[in-house]
Amino acid sequence: DAGVTQSPTHLIKTRGQQVTLRCSPKSGHDTVSWYQQALGQGPQFIFQYYEEEERQRGNFPDRFSGHQFPNYSSELNVNALLLGDSALYLCASSPNGDRGLSTIYFGEGSWLTVV
Amino acid sequence: QKEVEQNSGPLSVPEGAIASLNCTYSDRGSQSFFWYRQYSGKSPELIMFIYSNGDKEDGRFTAQLNKASQYVSLLIRDSQPSDSATYLCAVRYFNKFYFGSGTKLNVKP
Repeated sequence: DAGVTQSPTHLIKTRGQQVTLRCSPKSGHDTVSWYQQALGQGPQFIFQYYEEEERQRGNFPDRFSGHQFPNYSSELNVNALLLGDSALYLCASSPNGDRGLSTIYFGEGSWLTVV
Repeated sequence: QKEVEQNSGPLSVPEGAIASLNCTYSDRGSQSFFWYRQYSGKSPELIMFIYSNGDKEDGRFTAQLNKASQYVSLLIRDSQPSDSATYLCAVRYFNKFYFGSGTKLNVKP
């Protein structure tokens, strides 16, 4: 049973560029959330996708956008990259309709460095 | 903004001792509570979760929840050097998880 898979694992981008990160959820999970974890901080919620729509969003600017595909996989796009966007980006999946009692499972993350 | 507070540490304990990690949260409507372990350069991995007041044990780990005090703790018995990591407390409020900044634990051989 494959867990949450993310790609790429590491990437370096230049300020002003755009980046796309990809995530495949754990088998049986239909909800995908994205988190940003800066060095020395806990993960911060970016947004969540369910049924191909953004269901909730954290305090991130519109430069951060996403998409969910019919097979539940998801993409995170960041435009106009800033140095402060350098972080570990984590994808997490969970089953829907769990009444808030189940956990989320993280992928290995994508390390983004903006230079 | 929902707050989850943890002491950043580092917390140093000798091998074989009990490590006690603490977390407080601000929103009384929080539904369930999680402890994740994160090794340097790796993604968080789930240790255990709890959603009812009291204790929950899983091997060497015990999670304790006190909703009246808005307090969650994690006890690690017989600490091992391999337990050295950052421990993240997370609180679930409906479909969103809120994380603390983590407590760094060092277990000395």
